Amino acid sequence: TAGITQAPTSQILAAGRSMTLRCTQDMRHNAMYWYRQDLGLGLRLIHYSNTAGTTGKGEVPDGYSVSRANTDDFPLTLASAVPSQTSVYFCASSEQGTGELFFGEGSRLTVL
Amino acid sequence: GQNIDQPTEMTATEGAIVQINCTYQTSGFNGLFWYQQHAGEAPTFLSYNVLDGLEEKGRFSSFLSRSKGYSYLLLKELQMKDSASYLCAVRDSHYQLIWGAGTKLIIKP
Repeated sequence: TAGITQAPTSQILAAGRSMTLRCTQDMRHNAMYWYRQDLGLGLRLIHYSNTAGTTGKGEVPDGYSVSRANTDDFPLTLASAVPSQTSVYFCASSEQGTGELFFGEGSRLTVL
Repeated sequence: GQNIDQPTEMTATEGAIVQINCTYQTSGFNGLFWYQQHAGEAPTFLSYNVLDGLEEKGRFSSFLSRSKGYSYLLLKELQMKDSASYLCAVRDSHYQLIWGAGTKLIIKP
């Protein structure tokens, strides 16, 4: 079982360009999340989705957008990247109502 | 504000025991989680506590005191592969996870 697949693994992006990080899960989990992880800080929630067709804002949503057209896919889009968005991005999923998250391998994004 | 505190880094010896502490102040409490994260990899679930007391799972145990806003992760018979960061997370009243910055555990032979 693949679990959660993220793409790309790493990317260097010029400031002002747009970028979509892809996330696909095959566990049929209802809830999905996007986090960013920066050195010295805890994981910070960007956006989440409790079920297909719904999304919500997390702690640090500015500059990011998400969609949840179906259960399996939860892409994260940066409309106009800025250097402060340089980070490692993790997609995760969970069964609704549980706190056990299953993470993808992460996408390392560098904005220059 | 909501806050999770854990030591930045700890060092221990192979075969020994280490305790990683986590204190929290959150708006509501719906469980505390410990995750392990090896360098360059994704976090993986270790344990979950929602009631006071000790939960044991093999070499790893996790303790919770809700009245003190305190938890610890106890690792016994340390192995080199236990070198990793250990993340403490609390689920708040909105059922969102609030994460600590993680404790980097270094195991020496």
